[in-house]
Amino acid sequence: AQSVAQPEDQVNVAEGNPLTVKCTYSVSGNPYLFWYVQYPNRGLQFLLKYITGDNLVKGSYGFEAEFNKSQTSFHLKKPSALVSDSALYFCAVRAYNYGQNFVFGPGTRLSVLP
Amino acid sequence: EAGVAQSPRYKIIEKRQSVAFWCNPISGHATLYWYQQILGQGPKLLIQFQNNGVVDDSQLPKDRFSAERLKGVDSTLKIQPAKLEDSAVYLCASSLEEAEAFFGQGTRLTVV
Repeated sequence: AQSVAQPEDQVNVAEGNPLTVKCTYSVSGNPYLFWYVQYPNRGLQFLLKYITGDNLVKGSYGFEAEFNKSQTSFHLKKPSALVSDSALYFCAVRAYNYGQNFVFGPGTRLSVLP
Repeated sequence: EAGVAQSPRYKIIEKRQSVAFWCNPISGHATLYWYQQILGQGPKLLIQFQNNGVVDDSQLPKDRFSAERLKGVDSTLKIQPAKLEDSAVYLCASSLEEAEAFFGQGTRLTVV
């Protein structure tokens, strides 16, 4: 079975400071890992993914994430936070086998303070 | 490229009534998902289609929920009869094989 944990319900950071949103996962076999962002009354927007290759992946809006296989983690990072980054962030995992669905974490609310 | 289309955006019904949601995925995407997102929680899979076949419906409450994907394109999700606890956002998504999923804006259902 697949599962995703996001240990922080809420992350607060000052504008201009670096941000990290944490994610750990559990899956049989090699994982596909994803980050999505959700703004109020909107669907989920894809930010970035790890499939294979370089452990550091870069995505939309300056976000990046680092895959750490030994720690089964996939933390989302950004060097300099913007107020407009304030939103709900979801980590998701998908098993390598074709046909497996996306399992989402509970979400982390990011607040960037001006 | 057009995104995933869902309708309606909002729906309010009384408990024990029925309701249906519609989804049109991105053209060429064989895989279609329906997720339920309760306020404050992450999305939970209800059903996954591959073309017009069901891949996973293990978490679909089959006594009241049903879904179909005729001709492997559009899909409808139905609830009959609705319960108060069905109040949630229903998200449709589609994807290519081994790629990210793209989500529609969702339908917010309120059962009163």
